[in-house]
Amino acid sequence: QSALTQPASVSGSPGQSITISCTGTSSDVGSYSLVSWYQQHPGKAPKLMIYEGTKRSFGVSDRFSASKSGNTASLTISGLQGEDEADYYCCSHAGTTFSWLFGGGTKVTVL
Amino acid sequence: QGQLVQSGAEVKEPGASVKVSCKASGYTFTNYWMHWVRQAPGQGFEWMGVINPGGDITAYAQNFHGRVTMTWDTSTTTVYMELSGLKSEDTATYYCARDNSVVVGTATSWWFDPWGQGTLVTVSS
Repeated sequence: QSALTQPASVSGSPGQSITISCTGTSSDVGSYSLVSWYQQHPGKAPKLMIYEGTKRSFGVSDRFSASKSGNTASLTISGLQGEDEADYYCCSHAGTTFSWLFGGGTKVTVL
Repeated sequence: QGQLVQSGAEVKEPGASVKVSCKASGYTFTNYWMHWVRQAPGQGFEWMGVINPGGDITAYAQNFHGRVTMTWDTSTTTVYMELSGLKSEDTATYYCARDNSVVVGTATSWWFDPWGQGTLVTVSS
């Protein structure tokens, strides 16, 4: 099983909106599994941002939203702020028993 | 919500074994499975395996079969991950992360929350 595909980097100016894609296959992202998203600042543990495909974790700003179309899930950050500068990872069950896949990660830069 | 606290950094020689601990608190640990995930320096995450709260069911990623063992000490609510036959490529930060799952219609959602703070394992001669 291959890792899910994410763009290596995405950038935007403060106040803009950016979207991070996460592409898998019909066996994982496109299947019955709902994607989760994680934010990681340098040297820190990952933080859950999105679960059940579209639900924001407790305390996560409503500037973060998620969706899915076919084999691709997406995370959108609206009203980009400096604190959003971090690495973002998607994760999906791999479709086979007891196996999970992560995306390669996307570095978000606020210009 | 819960908290996971991991053991400290380790430095090991190639061929050795390392055992990382993850103490769970603040939630009913018998209700949740626990995953281990690692992150090599500057790289993404790699799922390693999962263990049920009773400790009698484990599942390991193909890449680690035969080298990884996950166990629970229910008396101390601590889960352990032992990796043997260490190689330089095993240098990474190792995280425990609690499993959460729910069925949503015909779909199932899994997510990892909370995470431990991470344990850096360095393999070097």
